[in-house]
Amino acid sequence: QSVLTQPPSVSGAPGQRVTISCTGSSSNIGAGYDVHWYQHLPGTAPKLLIYGNSNRPSGVPDRFSGSKSGTSASLAITGLQAEDEADYYCQSYDTTVVFGGGTKLTVL
Amino acid sequence: QLQLQESGPGLVKPSETLSLTCTVSGASISSSYYYWSWIRQPPGKGLEWIGGLYYSGNTYHNPSLKSRVTISVDTSKNQFSLNLSSVTAADTAVYYCARSLFSRSREVGYWGQGTLVTVSS
Repeated sequence: QSVLTQPPSVSGAPGQRVTISCTGSSSNIGAGYDVHWYQHLPGTAPKLLIYGNSNRPSGVPDRFSGSKSGTSASLAITGLQAEDEADYYCQSYDTTVVFGGGTKLTVL
Repeated sequence: QLQLQESGPGLVKPSETLSLTCTVSGASISSSYYYWSWIRQPPGKGLEWIGGLYYSGNTYHNPSLKSRVTISVDTSKNQFSLNLSSVTAADTAVYYCARSLFSRSREVGYWGQGTLVTVSS
């Protein structure tokens, strides 16, 4: 059971917008710790998509955006593309580094 | 360009110690206050943070792994290592070494390619 809760799966058609939630508590996200997001394709290393709640590293398309409010955070993907099909993880801090359980995004 | 490469046995027997090394190239492990981590992914499961360290030697580990984890750094070789003792089949996973994107922060900006470690007799 992960400290950070994500939906197991989400789906959307090409071109649509999807959001992935990451729900924590007052001891992690709600305590003010940053949330980071990763994209993980099978057989590859995870890739940092969003750091510090809403910042994109160089090279990450602006189709990806992050937000945080209270004890939760969200990753939004607009203009969904086939290559976005992957697992997505949130990460924060709660006495130690913690990851969400992951969300599988299916592009219909 | 920073690169990280995991190395170590791909097969470990139950009750033995899993030992992995991460070799860092393209940057000095002691050049700044970056956070160096070990992260794993068991088959069919999500990412799990194992532990990490700063080059100064301060180490941190996942409490769920209790006292089985030892993480160390060898600045002379630009490497850091993971030892996980008393392994069971539940420790079978792809193990990644990683580094924070920024100094004094914990987002993982750089990852090794990962190495599969299987625990089996």
